[in-house]
Amino acid sequence: GESVGLHLPTLSVQEGDNSIINCAYSNSASDYFIWYKQESGKGPQFIIDIRSNMDKRQGQRVTVLLNKTVKHLSLQIAATQPGDSAVYFCAENYGGATNKLIFGTGTLLAVQP
Amino acid sequence: ETGVTQTPRHLVMGMTNKKSLKCEQHLGHNAMYWYKQSAKKPLELMFVYSLEERVENNSVPSRFSPECPNSSHLFLHLHTLQPEDSALYLCASSQEGSLALDNEQFFGPGTRLTVL
Repeated sequence: GESVGLHLPTLSVQEGDNSIINCAYSNSASDYFIWYKQESGKGPQFIIDIRSNMDKRQGQRVTVLLNKTVKHLSLQIAATQPGDSAVYFCAENYGGATNKLIFGTGTLLAVQP
Repeated sequence: ETGVTQTPRHLVMGMTNKKSLKCEQHLGHNAMYWYKQSAKKPLELMFVYSLEERVENNSVPSRFSPECPNSSHLFLHLHTLQPEDSALYLCASSQEGSLALDNEQFFGPGTRLTVL
């Protein structure tokens, strides 16, 4: 994907391990957050979302944690698989505005077999 | 396949050309979006349409002109572009046009645009 052209932080994990990808968001009034996955040559894929009235939300093999005190979001992937290798980025609805999504630059997750 | 298709997949155009990008969604969604993904910047939301009405225009230059003739089709008309407009243009759709839990956006594969 295009975002690979950026100098992205890289997280390298062994297959089967758990992965934790972090994101710092910018506006304390933002109240909705999304995690996306983007594989090379493809469009982003929605993974999971969370509202600011929640601290944690779980999906299939993924968990999103929200710490509003420090404006921090994390994505945990359990039992990481080679197919999880991609760029992951978060988005916030900036200041709580409707449809004003601001995206992070992303983290490259590299899964080693 | 996400149910969102974009054509063309690649486009090279001169600064004086006029071209259009097309997006079609086969998911029965009510909202469609245009995004720009540049090599040196994060993903940027450009336009949001809900029930064929534009509900968001994130300060996009007028050389980009969207059109949503129906809930399944979205166009981005391009004219007098600049080389810095070269990017991957992504289309997405969702059931509703507002940000809400599980109102998942489905993205197309994008059109890679190069402006010479």
